[in-house]
Amino acid sequence: GENVEQHPSTLSVQEGDSAVIKCTYSDSASNYFPWYKQELGKRPQLIIDIRSNVGEKKDQRIAVTLNKTAKHFSLHITETQPEDSAVYFCAASSNTGKLIFGQGTTLQVKP
Amino acid sequence: NAGVTQTPKFQVLKTGQSMTLQCAQDMNHNSMYWYRQDPGMGLRLIYYSASEGTTDKGEVPNGYNVSRLNKREFSLRLESAAPSQTSVYFCASSEAGGLSNQPQHFGDGTRLSIL
Repeated sequence: GENVEQHPSTLSVQEGDSAVIKCTYSDSASNYFPWYKQELGKRPQLIIDIRSNVGEKKDQRIAVTLNKTAKHFSLHITETQPEDSAVYFCAASSNTGKLIFGQGTTLQVKP
Repeated sequence: NAGVTQTPKFQVLKTGQSMTLQCAQDMNHNSMYWYRQDPGMGLRLIYYSASEGTTDKGEVPNGYNVSRLNKREFSLRLESAAPSQTSVYFCASSEAGGLSNQPQHFGDGTRLSIL
């Protein structure tokens, strides 16, 4: 079955710097890759997603890139702010509709 | 428009007790999901329902049962709770039906402790 590996598990950056979180997946049939942000004690919330027919997607300070050949995708956050501090999860899905999540990355943005 | 609503928010059980976690969505979504979240392990799919009347196992279904009562409601039952089932449980829903992927929307979670 599908397996998703996420790195790093923790990431600390200075406010204003960029942050990059990387994920690899095992199932070549995967075609949908969402990213979720989860603040402490809250629900996961979708921040951006990408489908396999595009290589990059941007939404303001957030971007996601996908390399289907290498089976990896990455989340890029530019100009980080303290409110970006949270746990970020990547996920992958084939046409089953089932999401397989990575283990999460705890991002700390230091003022 | 409340989105995905889970009840209860917190629950403490003794080993061997049973309970049902409730989930309802008001977005007219076809698919609903139950996940558990444990420290350092991300979210793991327990069961899902691609459409009303259907349910399927996810990654970690053992010890759980589900019921898709109607299009709005999807419940998760622990028949005989075990300490290993101590976790935070999230319900989610999406427009996806059949073989398509759409964003999943999560509820606030149920924090379950089993002593």
